[in-house]
Amino acid sequence: GAGVSQSPSNKVTEKGKDVELRCDPISGHTALYWYRQSLGQGLEFLIYFQGNSAPDKSGLPSDRFSAERTGGSVSTLTIQRTQQEDSAVYLCASSSPAYEQYFGPGTRLTVT
Amino acid sequence: AQSVTQLGSHVSVSEGALVLLRCNYSSSVPPYLFWYVQYPNQGLQLLLKYTTGATLVKGINGFEAEFKKSETSFHLTKPSAHMRDAAEYFCAVEKRWTARQLTFGSGTQLTVLP
Repeated sequence: GAGVSQSPSNKVTEKGKDVELRCDPISGHTALYWYRQSLGQGLEFLIYFQGNSAPDKSGLPSDRFSAERTGGSVSTLTIQRTQQEDSAVYLCASSSPAYEQYFGPGTRLTVT
Repeated sequence: AQSVTQLGSHVSVSEGALVLLRCNYSSSVPPYLFWYVQYPNQGLQLLLKYTTGATLVKGINGFEAEFKKSETSFHLTKPSAHMRDAAEYFCAVEKRWTARQLTFGSGTQLTVLP
């Protein structure tokens, strides 16, 4: 079946604007993850959803970042009042329990 | 806390030569171990993983890795490099029995010379 998809593939926004990034996981995968990949920080975990459990938000860098997962499927990562240091590639992954994570192609965010 | 160290941010090999990418981890309990590959402008693709059992793990594209507990290492090898192997490689760990987020190394960019 289809892999993990993310949209948009590229997003350019002005500093101070809000952005929403979308992730469609593989059908049937109960776990969903967001990571951020930047030149200075490498690959960092942001947030993890597993089924109906409360998400693990321990990786979110500030309260400007939030994420939700509706109906146990699609997830949206929202960044409010974007800053230049938010420029990065945002990667989404999904998995079945006890199985490896499959990654999407990412959304490249540029804050000008 | 877990950490992953990849020695060498850039590695160059000639086509047909041995590929060796190094990964060491720090963890109080041996974690699950992974190698991912990232081609330009693409997401991460799993090459191989170690969870339990045989410590020599074979993956896709002719790659393999060996878990050495005594050395806390999980080095990636391939006997003969191809031009198509040029990419960035990430070692990652996942803590057993708890939260499943991956902790990544800083990556190694592999260049294959003709």
